[in-house]
Amino acid sequence: DIQMTQSPSSLPASLGDRVTITCRASQDIGNYLRWFQQKPGISPRLMIYGATNLAAGVPSRFSGSRSGSDYSLTINSLESEDVAIYYCLHHNEYPLTFGSGTKLEIK
Amino acid sequence: QIQLVQSGPELKKPGESVKISCKASGYTFTDYAMHWVKQVPGKGLKWMGWINTYTGKPTYADDFKGRFVFSLEASASTANLQISNLKNEDTANVFCAREGGGPDWFAYWGQGTLVTVSS
Repeated sequence: DIQMTQSPSSLPASLGDRVTITCRASQDIGNYLRWFQQKPGISPRLMIYGATNLAAGVPSRFSGSRSGSDYSLTINSLESEDVAIYYCLHHNEYPLTFGSGTKLEIK
Repeated sequence: QIQLVQSGPELKKPGESVKISCKASGYTFTDYAMHWVKQVPGKGLKWMGWINTYTGKPTYADDFKGRFVFSLEASASTANLQISNLKNEDTANVFCAREGGGPDWFAYWGQGTLVTVSS
């Protein structure tokens, strides 16, 4: 099974900061990588698909990138509404695997 | 608009069974597979498997083989998840999520159904 190693697990940051969350895939997954945002009591929201593409309605301060087996979600200029837990998900093959999550909070 | 509406919270005792439903609307139900995702309170997301809504064929992740059954009521545009012989560790929020082409894949989720197993 493909493992997705996500870091950091917790990310305190200040409003206006640029923050980056990373997932490393244990095997080649191409660009079959998605990022989700989850706020308390709410279903996950798709943010990035195909590793680098912004999902519909997602603010342009969010972006996704890939370097080899490392996939990153970056938020430019952090806003208070971005406080949430972020998960990566690979869907290259079954079983699908989520990263362990990154809790983004305001310092 | 596309919606997935799940059944309400369930409180069950160990050994009992539960059936969760996920009713789809706003698209042709049999066009896209449905996936199930488990989230233990305060923990991360875990993929449980998926069901082909055209053929009815289910595929289960290893940890969800045996007591878990995915099924369909296609005429009602509904996917179901039944869990038998419930255990305390089945306490979780369970989501359905729709597959789709390109940007739509996992763009649509149900609101979640909380299953609580307690004696």
